[in-house]
Amino acid sequence: NAGVTQTPKFQVLKTGQSMTLQCAQDMNHNSMYWYRQDPGMGLRLIYYSASEGTTDKGEVPNGYNVSRLNKREFSLRLESAAPSQTSVYFCASRDREIYTEAFFGQGTRLTVV
Amino acid sequence: GQSLEQPSEVTAVEGAIVQINCTYQTSGFYGLSWYQQHDGGAPTFLSYNGLDGLEETGRFSSFLSRSDSYGYLLLQELQMKDSASYFCAVRSGSGGSYIPTFGRGTSLIVHP
Repeated sequence: NAGVTQTPKFQVLKTGQSMTLQCAQDMNHNSMYWYRQDPGMGLRLIYYSASEGTTDKGEVPNGYNVSRLNKREFSLRLESAAPSQTSVYFCASRDREIYTEAFFGQGTRLTVV
Repeated sequence: GQSLEQPSEVTAVEGAIVQINCTYQTSGFYGLSWYQQHDGGAPTFLSYNGLDGLEETGRFSSFLSRSDSYGYLLLQELQMKDSASYFCAVRSGSGGSYIPTFGRGTSLIVHP
């Protein structure tokens, strides 16, 4: 059981380039989330999807877009990367019926130069 | 909105007991969770308190006082492998949405 899989694991972008971070879960979870983690800042929510077909902004959505492609997949797109988007990005999922635990992918370490 | 406060760093020696505190402010409380994250790794779920009191899972225990908006994670018989960051988290969102909202994390350093 793979859980939550993120690709790529590492990426270096030049300012202004675009890219999509991929996330897939095989636990049949309804809810999926994208967080970014910066030193001393904890995990901050970028976007989330409560269920297939819905997406909503989180705390820090500017510069990002998302797509809930199907129940398994939730992608995060940077249209024009900026150095301020250098961060570690985590995708997470949660079973709607279990209010306690979120499962995280291994993260994507993104550097924008 | 939601806010969570936890110490930025705690140090202890191997074999000791350490407590990591978390105070929170949230509209509509649905429980306090704790996650562990090793350097370079993903956060992993440790425990959840929905009601007041102590929950014990092996060497780890978590406590909640809803009247004080306060909880803590207690780690006993510390081991070197417990060196990690620990995050408390509450639910935010309204209606049917559930968004795990995290504190800034506490870095636990365990010394030999």
